[in-house]
Amino acid sequence: GIQVEQSPPDLILQEGANSTLRCNFSDSVNNLQWFHQNPWGQLINLFYIPSGTKQNGRLSATTVATERYSLLYISSSQTTDSGVYFCAVNHGGSQGNLIFGKGTKLSVKP
Amino acid sequence: DVKVTQSSRYLVKRTGEKVFLECVQDMDHENMFWYRQDPGLGLRLIYFSYDVKMKEKGDIPEGYSVSREKKERFSLILESASTNQTSMYLCASSPWRSYSNQPQHFGDGTRLSIL
Repeated sequence: GIQVEQSPPDLILQEGANSTLRCNFSDSVNNLQWFHQNPWGQLINLFYIPSGTKQNGRLSATTVATERYSLLYISSSQTTDSGVYFCAVNHGGSQGNLIFGKGTKLSVKP
Repeated sequence: DVKVTQSSRYLVKRTGEKVFLECVQDMDHENMFWYRQDPGLGLRLIYFSYDVKMKEKGDIPEGYSVSREKKERFSLILESASTNQTSMYLCASSPWRSYSNQPQHFGDGTRLSIL
């Protein structure tokens, strides 16, 4: 099946710093989502981005489908950005479910 | 805005009990999913449903069943709870339109502990 790899696995930032999270996938996809899981376990939709670039405030994402990767940019990080960031894909399999990467655990220090 | 509501945030049950986890969505979505999340294993699909009374097994269906009697509600059932079913359970929904390419929306999760 399709493989989803995220890097780095852990990231520690000082408040105000910028960061880039990467998601590589092993096959073509028609659905790619970025999620933020907060310390309470809630999984928050950040972007639905099977291709192209989107921005939402301090966050932006780019997916280059032909090269099978996606990037999530966080600018001017805040302590509330802490948590785990997941990339998840679907490549048109019969189940229609998302295949998740193992996540990047981000800690933003004040 | 899509709202997916799971009936409990935290639940503690005993081994051998029959456990029901409920999920309701308010966007008339055709597809609904149940995942479990475990440290080191990530999120894995248990069951999904693409229509009322329809269900499909995911990657780890053993020990679980599901029910979808109404479009907005998808229930996960642990027939006889065991300690290895202690986990975080997440429900999701998405609209059908060639179902694999629509965004999924998740509930807040249920942390289930089986003692």
